[in-house]
Amino acid sequence: DVKVTQSSRYLVKRTGEKVFLECVQDMDHENMFWYRQDPGLGLRLIYFSYDVKMKEKGDIPEGYSVSREKKERFSLILESASTNQTSMYLCASSPLRSTHYEQYFGPGTRLTVT
Amino acid sequence: AQSVTQPDIHITVSEGASLELRCNYSYGATPYLFWYVQSPGQGLQLLLKYFSGDTLVQGIKGFEAEFKRSQSSFNLRKPSVHWSDAAEYFCAVGPNTGGFKTIFGAGTRLFVKA
Repeated sequence: DVKVTQSSRYLVKRTGEKVFLECVQDMDHENMFWYRQDPGLGLRLIYFSYDVKMKEKGDIPEGYSVSREKKERFSLILESASTNQTSMYLCASSPLRSTHYEQYFGPGTRLTVT
Repeated sequence: AQSVTQPDIHITVSEGASLELRCNYSYGATPYLFWYVQSPGQGLQLLLKYFSGDTLVQGIKGFEAEFKRSQSSFNLRKPSVHWSDAAEYFCAVGPNTGGFKTIFGAGTRLFVKA
């Protein structure tokens, strides 16, 4: 089974702090994604990466950056956390060569910025 | 542009009753369609997917969905709901010719009453 793990289930940070969210997948998937989930809005794509050191902006990249130095790891960085970034963050991965494009999700990190 | 609409924010059904969750999509070609389920505190898990062929697809946990091109719909059904089905359900449209973005609906939360 594909396993996607996220470094923290719950995180509380202060406004202005730099925040790192880590995601690791163990199935050698090329694609990795970071989503933000808010009630009534579903999942919104922040960034995705289709290869090491490659990244593409999603729908809501403002205030976020990402890093992919190794194939299995994809990090989301909040350079200066703000209260409007309080949310659930979900990481996902998928195999590039698959014709099906289904994604495999981690359990999520609930971030609270105070 | 692609879009996904789940008209029902939440639905309550009695245990043992049948269930239908609605999903409408907008896409210029034959889409890849997915239903995911998110149990409380968890990431998303794929229930089923449609790419081509038989328009009635079977998934895990006794769920099925029917693709109706004429109605641009992909409704999820289950003949008899169990209390453990209480969760949030997301319909999604994925890329079928290149691209990486999957568009998620806002979700429908299912409550099951005894």
